[in-house]
Amino acid sequence: QKEVEQNSGPLSVPEGAIASLNCTYSDRGSQSFFWYRQYSGKSPELIMFIYSNGDKEDGRFTAQLNKASQYVSLLIRDSQPSDSATYLCAVQLSGGSYIPTFGRGTSLIVHP
Amino acid sequence: EADIYQTPRYLVIGTGKKITLECSQTMGHDKMYWYQQDPGMELHLIHYSYGVNSTEKGDLSSESTVSRIRTEHFPLTLESARPSHTSQYLCASSLPGPRGETQYFGPGTRLLVL
Repeated sequence: QKEVEQNSGPLSVPEGAIASLNCTYSDRGSQSFFWYRQYSGKSPELIMFIYSNGDKEDGRFTAQLNKASQYVSLLIRDSQPSDSATYLCAVQLSGGSYIPTFGRGTSLIVHP
Repeated sequence: EADIYQTPRYLVIGTGKKITLECSQTMGHDKMYWYQQDPGMELHLIHYSYGVNSTEKGDLSSESTVSRIRTEHFPLTLESARPSHTSQYLCASSLPGPRGETQYFGPGTRLLVL
C-alpha cells in the first residue's frame, strides 16, 4: 500500500471555480505536510505547508489538515488557467532523519 | 528563488557511456536528494544524503551511484548508460526545521540514451 495517495486526475474545473485536491496518508506519525506545484516540463515548487489540524490560508490557496482522518487537502479559489499543473502532496514524519514521501500528484486543468 | 543548479540540462548519449550529472547548491543545506521522473509520472527517490560523506539509496532501485564530498555538491554517476536510463533527473536540497523541511528543486537534467 502506497504511503501517500492522490487521485491522478485530471481534475478539470472552469475558470473562477474552486479546485479541491485531496491527499491521504497511511502513517499516523506524519507531522508535516507539503503541497508542491509542478508545471509540465518544470521542477516542483513549494506552494505551502501545514502541520496543525485545521486550515491554513495563503492568498488563493488554503491547505486543510485532518490528522484523525489522515487526509490533507488543497483548495484553490478563483482558479485560473495558469493554475493548470500537477499538484504533489508530500508527507514527512517528525525528526530530521526522515525523508519526505511524495504522492504521485494530481493533474489540474483549469479551462477558460 | 532557490540556488540549486544542475548540469547539463539536456544530454543525449550512446549506450555504454559513463556519465555524471552535476548538482550544486549554495544554500548550505545538509540534505540533498536525487529523483527520477518520467514525463507525467511520479517522482521516484533514487539517492539521498544527510551531509558530507553520507549517501543512502532511495526507494527506486537504481544502477547509479552518488558521492558527497562537499556540502554543496552531490553528483550522480551512471557507469554504463542504457536506454532504460532515459528519464528526467531532479536534484533537490532541504534544510531540516522543527516543522519538517521544504525541498528546493533544481531545474533537472533530461537524459536520452540511444
